Amino acid sequence: AQSVSQHNHHVILSEAASLELGCNYSYGGTVNLFWYVQYPGQHLQLLLKYFSGDPLVKGIKGFEAEFIKSKFSFNLRKPSVQWSDTAEYFCAVNANNGNKLVFGAGTILRVKS
Amino acid sequence: EAGVAQSPRYKIIEKRQSVAFWCNPISGHATLYWYQQILGQGPKLLIQFQNNGVVDDSQLPKDRFSAERLKGVDSTLKIQPAKLEDSAVYLCASQGGTNEQFFGPGTRLTVL
Repeated sequence: AQSVSQHNHHVILSEAASLELGCNYSYGGTVNLFWYVQYPGQHLQLLLKYFSGDPLVKGIKGFEAEFIKSKFSFNLRKPSVQWSDTAEYFCAVNANNGNKLVFGAGTILRVKS
Repeated sequence: EAGVAQSPRYKIIEKRQSVAFWCNPISGHATLYWYQQILGQGPKLLIQFQNNGVVDDSQLPKDRFSAERLKGVDSTLKIQPAKLEDSAVYLCASQGGTNEQFFGPGTRLTVL
């Protein structure tokens, strides 16, 4: 069965600090990879996704993620965080032949102004 | 484009009572999902519909949970009877022709 592991449950950063959130998955086949974000009081929304091609994908609001197949990883990065990035971030995976999304437990990011 | 609508947004019930949640997906989206998100965890798929047919309900506790999507549009998820451990946010998502799911605001259920 597929599983997704997010390394940190809580991260606290100061504004302008760099961010990297870890995500590892267990699945031997071809996968599609996603990062979703949930801002306080709002619903889950897609931040970025990887299906194929360039393993470095860029999403909204300056976020990017790198797919490293050999490490089964899809880490999320942002060079300089803002207070408005305070949110919960979820990594998710689905097998390339299906739609079922398997989510990690989430990482709560708090950015101090 | 209107998003996924869910109601109610909040519900408090006592254990052994029943409860129902409603979801209206984005217009034209054939695939609809119900997820359960327990505090501190990521969403977990309960059931997936393709139009009005069930594609995957392997993680739906069928002794107490049921879901339907009779006309291939709106869907309801029911819990009867509720247990304390059913306290969670219930998320509905829909998907059209692309491999991207759009989520509703969720219904926060508290079982006392």
